[in-house]
Amino acid sequence: NAGVTQTPKFQVLKTGQSMTLQCAQDMNHNSMYWYRQDPGMGLRLIYYSASEGTTDKGEVPNGYNVSRLNKREFSLRLESAAPSQTSVYFCASSESRGTGYYGYTFGSGTRLTVV
Amino acid sequence: AQSVTQLGSHVSVSEGALVLLRCNYSSSVPPYLFWYVQYPNQGLQLLLKYTTGATLVKGINGFEAEFKKSETSFHLTKPSAHMSDAAEYFCAVSSNNAGNMLTFGGGTRLMVKP
Repeated sequence: NAGVTQTPKFQVLKTGQSMTLQCAQDMNHNSMYWYRQDPGMGLRLIYYSASEGTTDKGEVPNGYNVSRLNKREFSLRLESAAPSQTSVYFCASSESRGTGYYGYTFGSGTRLTVV
Repeated sequence: AQSVTQLGSHVSVSEGALVLLRCNYSSSVPPYLFWYVQYPNQGLQLLLKYTTGATLVKGINGFEAEFKKSETSFHLTKPSAHMSDAAEYFCAVSSNNAGNMLTFGGGTRLMVKP
């Protein structure tokens, strides 16, 4: 099925550990995004990639890095995890031309707990 | 800058009752407006969207929303709630000036009582 695939679905980390969240889309979309979702705060943009080869910071980029590996894949890395990074992480993609008309396609999320 | 406010983080209705979820936005340019639904432990799915044209838009599962420019609102309604409508709903705004990037409201959790 076409869509956005995120791995892993669940992860528990110890403070200070590192990990990479993977995201891949098979819709040939140009733009990809990483959001975090916390209770009562909606979704907050961490990083985005408007097109292959470009990445930009969003609202809450501190503590994260990203890589747009190719047009399909956009990974999010936590170099030294902190309890404040406990959250549900969503990857999304969209077609940049007329993106506003179509909105995003979301992955099913990664639930991360940092202890 | 654009922003979205969803009034009421929790809304409870009885099965068969009207559902009304409120969304107000701010945008300096004509907005694109979206409603997404999130069922437990799932990602967000598009319910409906307004871009241009008719201000009353219909979405999936019997939901609809009306864009009211004068009130800067895009409230979501459904005439008769069903138990399966219990979920979290997010309003979002986008615009050409924002690179078509979505800004989300804080979400409203809809509970449906039998």
